[in-house]
Amino acid sequence: GAVVSQHPSRVICKSGTSVKIECRSLDFQATTMFWYRQFPKKSLMLMATSNEGSKATYEQGVEKDKFLINHASLTLSTLTVTSAHPEDSSFYICSALRDRGPSETQYFGPGTRLLVL
Amino acid sequence: GQQVMQIPQYQHVQEGEDFTTYCNSSTTLSNIQWYKQRPGGHPVFLIQLVKSGEVKKQKRLTFQFGEAKKNSSLHITATQTTDVGTYFCAVNTNAGKSTFGDGTTLTVKP
Repeated sequence: GAVVSQHPSRVICKSGTSVKIECRSLDFQATTMFWYRQFPKKSLMLMATSNEGSKATYEQGVEKDKFLINHASLTLSTLTVTSAHPEDSSFYICSALRDRGPSETQYFGPGTRLLVL
Repeated sequence: GQQVMQIPQYQHVQEGEDFTTYCNSSTTLSNIQWYKQRPGGHPVFLIQLVKSGEVKKQKRLTFQFGEAKKNSSLHITATQTTDVGTYFCAVNTNAGKSTFGDGTTLTVKP
């Protein structure tokens, strides 16, 4: 199956710092990627849709200035958590959409565990 | 937006017993996907159902899409310890976005 990588897999940072998370589709081009957040024992919550070459589309309640998304190429999207606070601690997962249309499939990255102290 | 209700939230079974999780929607769905997330892992795509009444099998897993395309189920026959994890259904909304159900967490006692 398709491979999506995410880096870093785990990060611990101090409150007030910014953290950048990378999502790469390794063997296919993805014009659309998604960023999710998952709390322990909870479902995935879609944060935003990352579109190559254009601005990301954020879900209601997600601060775009807090969670900066850049999709500069067909294989890379980045999520930057700016001025992170302890409540931003979570599991962040990206996915890349392959083959837009009836057979489109999301392939998920392995996730990034963020802990803000 | 489009929502799906997934039940049960948790299921504990003895190894060898069967397991089923259900997804229900109040609206007709264009398709539905199923994912498995192992503890500490990320969601892994299992299958997508598109056709009304569709039934697909993957070894011990059977996926069904209701005739009205408002519900779906995932059934595991003779569970094994490797089946543990959380199973999510997801439905596509516009622009390729997916809305996930709350998931069913399966634990299997050896």
